[in-house]
Amino acid sequence: ETGVTQSPTHLIKTRGQQVTLRCSSQSGHNTVSWYQQALGQGPQFIFQYYREEENGRGNFPPRFSGLQFPNYSSELNVNALELDDSALYLCASSQGTRVYEQFFGPGTRLTVL
Amino acid sequence: QKEVEQDPGPLSVPEGAIVSLNCTYSNSAFQYFMWYRQYSRKGPELLMYTYSSGNKEDGRFTAQVDKSSKYISLFIRDSQPSDSATYLCAMLFNAGGTSYGKLTFGQGTILTVHP
Repeated sequence: ETGVTQSPTHLIKTRGQQVTLRCSSQSGHNTVSWYQQALGQGPQFIFQYYREEENGRGNFPPRFSGLQFPNYSSELNVNALELDDSALYLCASSQGTRVYEQFFGPGTRLTVL
Repeated sequence: QKEVEQDPGPLSVPEGAIVSLNCTYSNSAFQYFMWYRQYSRKGPELLMYTYSSGNKEDGRFTAQVDKSSKYISLFIRDSQPSDSATYLCAMLFNAGGTSYGKLTFGQGTILTVHP
């Protein structure tokens, strides 16, 4: 069974740029959720994708957007980067209604200068 | 007021001690309660989840949920240096068994178990 993978591991961008982060869900999982974790804080829910449709969204502006592909992998796109976007971005996968069992990837560390 | 409150610690204990980690919450609609362990520079790892009130045990770990007090706990018996990590509580409201799963996390408690 393959776990959740994310790429890239680290990324450095400058303010105003755009970034795309990628996530491959665990084998057999059709739901992907994205979270932002600032240093010293718990993860904050960005949004969730289920069967290629956005299934819910947290309190993040529209410049945070995403996609889910037919193989259930997913992308998180952030436009017009701000300094406060510097964080660890985590994706988690789950299967159907078993959303109480979300398995996280290792994360992408984004630094915005 | 945050929906989920967790003492960030840090908590330092000797090897073999019993560790108690706690979270309180304000949203009575939460139904599922999870504990995650996060090592430095890694993603969170699901330790266990509990549905509604009650206890759940898995090896050295015991989770307790008291919905009447809006209080959850994780106990670690015979703690080991390898248990040193940040422990995150998380909660979920899932109406009607849908596929929607927004986890609401606490801040995390930093635990160090020293030999």
